[in-house]
Amino acid sequence: EPEVTQTPSHQVTQMGQEVILRCVPISNHLYFYWYRQILGQKVEFLVSFYNNEISEKSEIFDDQFSVERPDGSNFTLKIRSTKLEDSAMYFCASTPGGREKNTGELFFGEGSRLTVL
Amino acid sequence: AQSVAQPEDQVNVAEGNPLTVKCTYSVSGNPYLFWYVQYPNRGLQFLLKYITGDNLVKGSYGFEAEFNKSQTSFHLKKPSALVSDSALYFCAGMFSGGYNKLIFGAGTRLAVHP
Repeated sequence: EPEVTQTPSHQVTQMGQEVILRCVPISNHLYFYWYRQILGQKVEFLVSFYNNEISEKSEIFDDQFSVERPDGSNFTLKIRSTKLEDSAMYFCASTPGGREKNTGELFFGEGSRLTVL
Repeated sequence: AQSVAQPEDQVNVAEGNPLTVKCTYSVSGNPYLFWYVQYPNRGLQFLLKYITGDNLVKGSYGFEAEFNKSQTSFHLKKPSALVSDSALYFCAGMFSGGYNKLIFGAGTRLAVHP
């Protein structure tokens, strides 16, 4: 069964460093997402991406964050200068189509745990 | 504002007893509603969804949920709980105009005791 894969599973970084989290969405999916979960708390929407551009972003997704689909398979989240409060589990998700076309669920990866020291 | 609420931080139930995890939503229009489960140090696993049609939807692992439009609720239920059901459960909604994003509730920790 196809799945969303994320790397790394865990990354430890120093405050101020740049981090790139990678995701390989399911191959025929068109919408991609990043979500964040701080220490087993609420899952928060960060950004959605469609047709090679951001379709929506939350207040959390400030100028320190960026997303990119550098090739036909990867979808990356970059944090330019990490802060302590960026420590969280980051989940990538994908779905075949939009709400009007697709009544299916979002498919989530296993997550990348980011620890900022 | 569109939102999903889970009023209980934790639900405790004895194995074999029925369980209910509550979820309410606030939205105009017709939402798509979902339940996800998260086991420790794992990702989010889809359990079930309501899109349209029958208000009672059945999902994975014997779970079901009932969509109640008048009460704006989508409670998760299971007739007989298992210890292995112990996990963090998230209710989520996908609302029109929301660019296909899921809005999650705060989560409810289900603890099933032997």
